[in-house]
Amino acid sequence: QQQVKQSPQSLIVQKGGISIINCAYENTAFDYFPWYQQFPGKGPALLIAIRPDVSEKKEGRFTISFNKSAKQFSLHIMDSQPGDSATYFCAASTEYGNKLVFGAGTILRVKS
Amino acid sequence: NAGVTQTPKFRVLKTGQSMTLLCAQDMNHEYMYWYRQDPGMGLRLIHYSVGEGTTAKGEVPDGYNVSRLKKQNFLLGLESAAPSQTSVYFCASSSPSRGVSYEQYFGPGTRLTVT
Repeated sequence: QQQVKQSPQSLIVQKGGISIINCAYENTAFDYFPWYQQFPGKGPALLIAIRPDVSEKKEGRFTISFNKSAKQFSLHIMDSQPGDSATYFCAASTEYGNKLVFGAGTILRVKS
Repeated sequence: NAGVTQTPKFRVLKTGQSMTLLCAQDMNHEYMYWYRQDPGMGLRLIHYSVGEGTTAKGEVPDGYNVSRLKKQNFLLGLESAAPSQTSVYFCASSSPSRGVSYEQYFGPGTRLTVT
């Protein structure tokens, strides 16, 4: 049973469009919600992260929206670029980011 | 700064063979982790360590053992490999005690095939 459910499995977006990836969790003890980006043949790398005391965090073209009552959070990529084509993982944890629980991943392809 | 390095990059084992994967980090991080990545399942935590000489089980520990004899190294062992252990293995490290970032830094991965 996956503790963090991620959707969609794959996503195709036109260059300049908005990419949206959603995640839902069950464990209300989670207090740290990162998004990781992974390019083929590489390890994941932290993209952006949020704590549950804020509802939104923005870094450049990347925004996390967090809905504590619904136990959902999402990643928005504005002005999507071909270089954003990668696999994106949401995750959640307690204990200072220890013991991350990952979603299944979303393969994003941005068409030029 | 090499960050997190993993050895080897690729390996093919026969069922029943043993092997050790080595992870090294040069960032003086206290915490280290081993994950496996399988299609459609994301990354799953196998074992982790919060300091030299300590280890703990993660989500999928069965069939694996670990050791952290030195702060910079974290070893993952497979005593008797099974085809179900065919996967890509990632090591990561972090330093959450510094209170600034909980970011985990990942290595490049080891692709293991068990036939």
